[in-house]
Amino acid sequence: AQTVTQSQPEMSVQEAETVTLSCTYDTSENNYYLFWYKQPPSRQMILVIRQEAYKQQNATENRFSVNFQKAAKSFSLKISDSQLGDTAMYFCAFTLYGGATNKLIFGTGTLLAVQP
Amino acid sequence: GAGVSQSPSNKVTEKGKDVELRCDPISGHTALYWYRQSLGQGLEFLIYFQGNSAPDKSGLPSDRFSAERTGGSVSTLTIQRTQQEDSAVYLCASSGSGTGGDRTQYFGPGTRLLVL
Repeated sequence: AQTVTQSQPEMSVQEAETVTLSCTYDTSENNYYLFWYKQPPSRQMILVIRQEAYKQQNATENRFSVNFQKAAKSFSLKISDSQLGDTAMYFCAFTLYGGATNKLIFGTGTLLAVQP
Repeated sequence: GAGVSQSPSNKVTEKGKDVELRCDPISGHTALYWYRQSLGQGLEFLIYFQGNSAPDKSGLPSDRFSAERTGGSVSTLTIQRTQQEDSAVYLCASSGSGTGGDRTQYFGPGTRLLVL
């Protein structure tokens, strides 16, 4: 069975600074996807970034980038130039590629507060 | 609309009553998922639809929970004889069925259910 672990329940960062959120996962499969989703107080789950396991290059989306270490089963999210609007709960999620179901397995989340 | 929509946004019901939650996926998305988000259990997968069939119902917590999807589009999650432990946010997501990015799940705003 696959599991996802986020060991930082809460984090805080000053506006314009950089912060890194940690995520580790466990799987015996080789082909899968990893995601970071953001959930602000509005409750809407928003996709931040996606990484295909077969790609060695780390994914980047504007101020958001990941450090994907497949051997270590680690998938951290770096937020550069943090903005007040980045304040949210961040969830790391895993899904198998080509499985019978595409269900997401989520970590417990990290609550990020960006301070002015 | 462009995104996943869910209704109602909030639902308050009395213990023992039945409730229906609706999800309208992104147009053209063949896959649809229901998740439950609660304080004690985090984000849990409930059921996955591909078209109108549900190849994975493994997350439904009891036989009081059922879901259907018609016309390959709208889905309804029904909870019969609601219990207080059913109080949670119910999230719906949809995705394409192709490879790569097409299988990324996009979420609706959720329905917050409170059982008194």
